[in-house]
Amino acid sequence: SQQGEEDPQALSIQEGENATMNCSYKTSINNLQWYRQNSGRGLVHLILIRSNEREKHSGRLRVTLDTSKKSSSLLITASRAADTASYFCATDYFGNEKLTFGTGTRLTIIP
Amino acid sequence: DTGVSQDPRHKITKRGQNVTFRCDPISEHNRLYWYRQTLGQGPEFLTYFQNEAQLEKSRLLSDRFSAERPKGSFSTLEIQRTEQGDSAMYLCASSPLRQGTEKLFFGSGTQLSVL
Repeated sequence: SQQGEEDPQALSIQEGENATMNCSYKTSINNLQWYRQNSGRGLVHLILIRSNEREKHSGRLRVTLDTSKKSSSLLITASRAADTASYFCATDYFGNEKLTFGTGTRLTIIP
Repeated sequence: DTGVSQDPRHKITKRGQNVTFRCDPISEHNRLYWYRQTLGQGPEFLTYFQNEAQLEKSRLLSDRFSAERPKGSFSTLEIQRTEQGDSAMYLCASSPLRQGTEKLFFGSGTQLSVL
C-alpha cells in the first residue's frame, strides 16, 4: 500500500515559474526522500531530508519537512521544460529496510 | 554506463504463461530491491535482498512470484501463470549497504503486458 499521497496529482505551469508539490504520510518516519520519474523510465533520487531536519536545499530544489503535520513539500524554482516528470516522495521508518512511495505529482512545464 | 540494468525492457505475454525478468545492479551494491508500479501510482515494494539473502517479501508477492539472487550479483524475478492483473512496470533498484534506503538507484524497468 502507499504510505502517503502527493498533492496536487497534476500540475501545469509556465517555464520559469516555481512549482510546489506536497506530500503527506501516515506514520512516523526516519527519512523522507523525493524522486523524479520521466515517462516510462526508472526513478532518480533528488534529495533526502532527515526527520530531525526542517529544510534542505539542493540547486533549484528546496524541501521542507513538518513532522508534526506528517507532511513535506518540494519546491522547484525557475522551472525548465526538462523538469517535466512525475515526482514521488518516499519514506522509511526505523527498523524497516524499504522505501514506501507516495502516489506522485505529474508536473508539466509549458515552454 | 554502470547503472542498474534491466532486461527485457518490454514483455508481452499471454495469460497463464511464465515470465522471467533480470536485473543487474550496480556492482558492489549489496542491496537489491524489486518494486512494481501500475499506471498513475507510485512504486510498491515487492522484495529485497542483501547480498544473496532475501530479507523481506511483501504480501503483494503471491506464491506465483519468486525472486532469486543466487550469487549476490544479478537477480531474477519470475512470475508463474501470469494474470492480467500482473500487468505493470517492474522496477529494480540497488544501493550500497552503508547507504541502506537513503538513496536507491533504479533501473529503467520492465514493462509487462499480460493479454
